[in-house]
Amino acid sequence: QKEVEQDPGPLSVPEGAIVSLNCTYSNSAFQYFMWYRQYSRKGPELLMYTYSSGNKEDGRFTAQVDKSSKYISLFIRDSQPSDSATYLCAMRTTSGTYKYIFGTGTRLKVLA
Amino acid sequence: KAGVTQTPRYLIKTRGQQVTLSCSPISGHRSVSWYQQTPGQGLQFLFEYFSETQRNKGNFPGRFSGRQFSNSRSEMNVSTLELGDSALYLCASSWGDSNTEAFFGQGTRLTVV
Repeated sequence: QKEVEQDPGPLSVPEGAIVSLNCTYSNSAFQYFMWYRQYSRKGPELLMYTYSSGNKEDGRFTAQVDKSSKYISLFIRDSQPSDSATYLCAMRTTSGTYKYIFGTGTRLKVLA
Repeated sequence: KAGVTQTPRYLIKTRGQQVTLSCSPISGHRSVSWYQQTPGQGLQFLFEYFSETQRNKGNFPGRFSGRQFSNSRSEMNVSTLELGDSALYLCASSWGDSNTEAFFGQGTRLTVV
């Protein structure tokens, strides 16, 4: 079983929809949780990061971390065709054995 | 402000050869991390350097090595290339000694034949 699980998609939604992207994990030592967006033939771009539990909002993007359920989410409001990309979650430890693990990514297509 | 620059962008090597990839971080960034991205395994952490010292290392064989220079530029070396080393190699830089807020380059696409 992978330490970080992410549905690969593809996920197709109409423009303007609310998108929910999720990852589950098994290692309780993860404390930092990141979301990256990767366009085709480009390197990943950091969207947001959260330390420990809670919510964080940045424009149309909201990241949620539920450590009790080992579940993180990224919500995209008013999705746009330009949001079409692969979204990767990532997590890292802050103590003990260092681990920085990425999910496999979810391909998102926002249809105009 | 210039982003993270990786050279070369594309590379074809033969099995058994060695290869060196280069990464120039964003000006002022002192931490450089390297990652391997493949369709099968996704994005995997290789190692991280801060102030010329390797701080963290992923689960890769010793054929994968790196170094960082005093100007924060970094190189990654893979010796005795195998077909399975074909991948997109990404470098990311960050300001402090944590690679949480990391900025990625466009990567070097390595093909081993």
